[in-house]
Amino acid sequence: KQEVTQIPAALSVPEGENLVLNCSFTDSAIYNLQWFRQDPGKGLTSLLLIQSSQREQTSGRLNASLDKSSGRSTLYIAASQPGDSATYLCAVINTDKLIFGTGTRLQVFP
Amino acid sequence: DTAVSQTPKYLVTQMGNDKSIKCEQNLGHDTMYWYKQDSKKFLKIMFSYNNKELIINETVPNRFSPKSPDKAHLNLHINSLELGDSAVYFCASSQAEYYGYTFGSGTRLTVV
Repeated sequence: KQEVTQIPAALSVPEGENLVLNCSFTDSAIYNLQWFRQDPGKGLTSLLLIQSSQREQTSGRLNASLDKSSGRSTLYIAASQPGDSATYLCAVINTDKLIFGTGTRLQVFP
Repeated sequence: DTAVSQTPKYLVTQMGNDKSIKCEQNLGHDTMYWYKQDSKKFLKIMFSYNNKELIINETVPNRFSPKSPDKAHLNLHINSLELGDSAVYFCASSQAEYYGYTFGSGTRLTVV
């Protein structure tokens, strides 16, 4: 059974810091991995999708890497801003469904 | 222009009532899903439909019945609501696993 864990559960940092959010999964037989952002009381916004054949994806200040063999993905946020404050969720795509991690709640203060 | 839209956004109802949540996607995707986010913010799949056919039913109580009149719509009907049904319900769609998932903005259901 696939299990997805995210570390840390919560993170509070000053503006401008570079951040690394970690995601680990127990079954390496995944199609893809997708990172989402959820703002309080809002829906999920897709940030990055990494296909199983890829090692990383970049979008603006975000970079996500995938190491299937070790069951890990990291989301790197460069030069963090208060607007980055949200919960970040990683999800692995197994056959026909998304399995979500436990989330990392990020707060960036000015 | 909303890709996946859910209604209503908020739903407050009494125990024992029956309620429905509607979902529509205009992305032309073949597969639609319902996910539940519990009080601890953990998201878990409930159902998936591919082109109007049920694909996944993750041991959800029989009180929950999804209905897909066409591949652009997936509604969720809940009978005899219980306090434990209070959660945020998200609809999502995908064309195939390779292309990722798109989520709606969620429906916050509160059972009192």
